[in-house]
Amino acid sequence: DVKVTQSSRYLVKRTGEKVFLECVQDMDHENMFWYRQDPGLGLRLIYFSYDVKMKEKGDIPEGYSVSREKKERFSLILESASTNQTSMYLCASSLGAANNSPLHFGNGTRLTVT
Amino acid sequence: GEDVEQSLFLSVREGDSSVINCTYTDSSSTYLYWYKQEPGAGLQLLTYIFSNMDMKQDQRLTVLLNKKDKHLSLRIADTQTGDSAIYFCAEAGTYKYIFGTGTRLKVLA
Repeated sequence: DVKVTQSSRYLVKRTGEKVFLECVQDMDHENMFWYRQDPGLGLRLIYFSYDVKMKEKGDIPEGYSVSREKKERFSLILESASTNQTSMYLCASSLGAANNSPLHFGNGTRLTVT
Repeated sequence: GEDVEQSLFLSVREGDSSVINCTYTDSSSTYLYWYKQEPGAGLQLLTYIFSNMDMKQDQRLTVLLNKKDKHLSLRIADTQTGDSAIYFCAEAGTYKYIFGTGTRLKVLA
């Protein structure tokens, strides 16, 4: 079974702090994704990566950056956290193209910015 | 537009069948997925259907696909309290997955 591990389940940070959310997958998947999930808005794609050191903006990249130095690890960075970034963050990975590979999700990190 | 639509809530009695509906947008989507999210957890892949299929059955789950109407449904037979969760359908392009807003299923004992 694919395992996608997010380093923290719950995180509380202050406004203006730099925040790192870490995600590791153990199945040698090519693609990795970061989503945020908010009530009434569903899942929104922040960034994705289809290879080491490659990244692509999703639908809502503003205020975020990402890093993929190793194939198994994909980090989401909030350069200066703001209260409107309080959300549930979901990391996911997939083996190949979306049209023939399902996404496998981690358990999520619930981030609160005060 | 790129909206995948689902109704927000569904309530059923334990032992009844549940049917969760989804309307998707891209007729070229090759795979359509159903995910389940339990409280405080990530999304778990439940099942998927390839676009050249009309139906797929997997134990208590039946997926029906109507390509002409771009309509997807998930039927859960003999619904149990453990099935209470949010269910998401998703369609997939080459790299992009588009999710519905989720249907919250509540199972009444």
